[in-house]
Amino acid sequence: QSALTQPHSVSGSPGQSVTISCTGTSNDVGIYNYVSWYQQHSGKAPKLIIYDVTERPSGVPDRFSGSKSGNTASLTISGLQTEDEADYYCCAYAGSYIWMFGGGTNLAVL
Amino acid sequence: EVQLLESGGGLVQPGGSLRLSCAGSGFTFNSYEMIWVRQAPGKGLEWLSYISRSGNTVYYSGSVRGRFTISRDNAKNSLYLQTNSLRGEDSATYYCATIGGSGSHWGWFDPWGQGTLVTVSS
Repeated sequence: QSALTQPHSVSGSPGQSVTISCTGTSNDVGIYNYVSWYQQHSGKAPKLIIYDVTERPSGVPDRFSGSKSGNTASLTISGLQTEDEADYYCCAYAGSYIWMFGGGTNLAVL
Repeated sequence: EVQLLESGGGLVQPGGSLRLSCAGSGFTFNSYEMIWVRQAPGKGLEWLSYISRSGNTVYYSGSVRGRFTISRDNAKNSLYLQTNSLRGEDSATYYCATIGGSGSHWGWFDPWGQGTLVTVSS
């Protein structure tokens, strides 16, 4: 099983929007809506920010949104804030109680 | 407050073993499927293992199958990961997490513990 493909890094200025892609296959992202996204600040545990492709847990700002098209899921962060600077990971169910993570994307807010 | 707390990490020689623990509190432990994930220093997240609510069903990633064993004791609100035949590439922070949802809305990991660090070195 190969990891999902994410860009290594993205950047944006405060107030701008960025989108992070997560490309899998027809055996994971493409077939199941069990796609989630996690935010990880340096030295901290990951935190769930999107589940079921598009849903936000309570307490997560609506600046964070998720989508999916074919084998690619995306996370969009609008109105960038300095506290959004972190690593972001996508995760997809691949069947048979197996999950795949993306390699992670470092977001820099310049 | 829903909380997961890992323990049991440390320095171990190649070929050695460690038993990692994850204590749950603030929720009905036996109502949740659970997983272990690890993160090597400076690297990304890697899903390792899944266990059902009862503990009767378990699955592993190819990188640890045959060497690691996941288990749980619902009476003690605890999840375990027995790690054997450890290698340098097993050095990582190990996290436990609950799986959220059910049916067609399922499969996310929340909450996560704070992690426990395993270092495999001679």
